[in-house]
Amino acid sequence: KAGVTQTPRYLIKTRGQQVTLSCSPISGHRSVSWYQQTPGQGLQFLFEYFSETQRNKGNFPGRFSGRQFSNSRSEMNVSTLELGDSALYLCASSSLGGSHSPLHFGNGTRLTVT
Amino acid sequence: AQTVTQSQPEMSVQEAETVTLSCTYDTSENNYYLFWYKQPPSRQMILVIRQEAYKQQNATENRFSVNFQKAAKSFSLKISDSQLGDTAMYFCAFIENLQGGSEKLVFGKGTKLTVNP
Repeated sequence: KAGVTQTPRYLIKTRGQQVTLSCSPISGHRSVSWYQQTPGQGLQFLFEYFSETQRNKGNFPGRFSGRQFSNSRSEMNVSTLELGDSALYLCASSSLGGSHSPLHFGNGTRLTVT
Repeated sequence: AQTVTQSQPEMSVQEAETVTLSCTYDTSENNYYLFWYKQPPSRQMILVIRQEAYKQQNATENRFSVNFQKAAKSFSLKISDSQLGDTAMYFCAFIENLQGGSEKLVFGKGTKLTVNP
């Protein structure tokens, strides 16, 4: 079974631009979560989608948004990029949710904003 | 809010020896789940071990075991017979229940473990 696939692996953008990151979960997994990882703040929850519905969102500004498609693939969008958005963005999937079934993470997308 | 604290930013151990990574957490819930994740240079977060709070028995996965002290809110990870491939960042994490049946992981800041030959 293929793992969680995130594309692209690396991305360089300039301030003010927008970016879209993609995540393909493990086949059969309906829950997709996104996390931001930075040296200063560590790992922080962005949002979680289940069956195309956003079930919850972390404490991030409205510039961060996402969606999930009927095949469970998810995209995350960041508009009006700021230098502080430079981070590793990790996607995780599970069949139901973290405590009921383990989260499986992808290799992440490294976003650099210049 | 739930918090997870890892007090050791970096640790090192000799190959074949045993090392223990510390983790404390804060929660008002009675039933919850705790995890240790490993993040090697490849960046992928890999689940090492998981503990359910209502189970008194400490979880074990091959060379990895935990010392779960519920009253003290402590959840340490012991790695026996350390191998070079164990070199990675280790994150302690806690499941926080959210509205709508959703959950999120609350992570500690991590411990960078280096296994020396």
